[in-house]
Amino acid sequence: ILNVEQSPQSLHVQEGDSTNFTCSFPSSNFYALHWYRWETAKSPEALFVMTLNGDEKKKGRISATLNTKEGYSYLYIKGSQPEDSATYLCAFINFGNEKLTFGTGTRLTIIP
Amino acid sequence: DSGVTQTPKHLITATGQRVTLRCSPRSGDLSVYWYQQSLDQGLQFLIQYYNGEERAKGNILERFSAQQFPDLHSELNLSSLELGDSALYFCASSKSRGHYEQYFGPGTRLTVT
Repeated sequence: ILNVEQSPQSLHVQEGDSTNFTCSFPSSNFYALHWYRWETAKSPEALFVMTLNGDEKKKGRISATLNTKEGYSYLYIKGSQPEDSATYLCAFINFGNEKLTFGTGTRLTIIP
Repeated sequence: DSGVTQTPKHLITATGQRVTLRCSPRSGDLSVYWYQQSLDQGLQFLIQYYNGEERAKGNILERFSAQQFPDLHSELNLSSLELGDSALYFCASSKSRGHYEQYFGPGTRLTVT
């Protein structure tokens, strides 16, 4: 059983502040890491797919980094806005069998 | 709108029954994934198909089966349903395999009574 952990489980952030959270995954047999944003009552929405050690990706105010050797990825949100409130999920994809294992997510609430 | 469609939106059925959930991927996407989200549980990967062939298998019960047809739509069959099978079932599609982002459908809410 692969262990994909996300921390913290939940987070309250004041509007305008920046924040970050972590996804930890096995450092062996890495194939890809996905980040998704999941708003309540909606479907998960893809943010990033990261494949190479040292990858840094950015989409607007959201960015992510990847360290496959130590098995972690950070997601950063700059200048949080109320619409950033959602659960952020990471998913580890195992090389060879390509099985996806999701973390349990970080639930982010932006306080206006 | 992700371009992935799932039918039906809601399904209520009794224990012991069998149901079929349907998914149409985005135009041009070859991979289809099925996920289950039970109450208080995260997303559980069930199975992946790529261009008609089973590609990866997750925690899918033996009572469940899936297939991907030549037109690339997919069906998830759930049989001998139990109360614990009540969940939201998502389908997602991607261009190819693990290096591509997945687009999720709206989900099918299954309630087993």
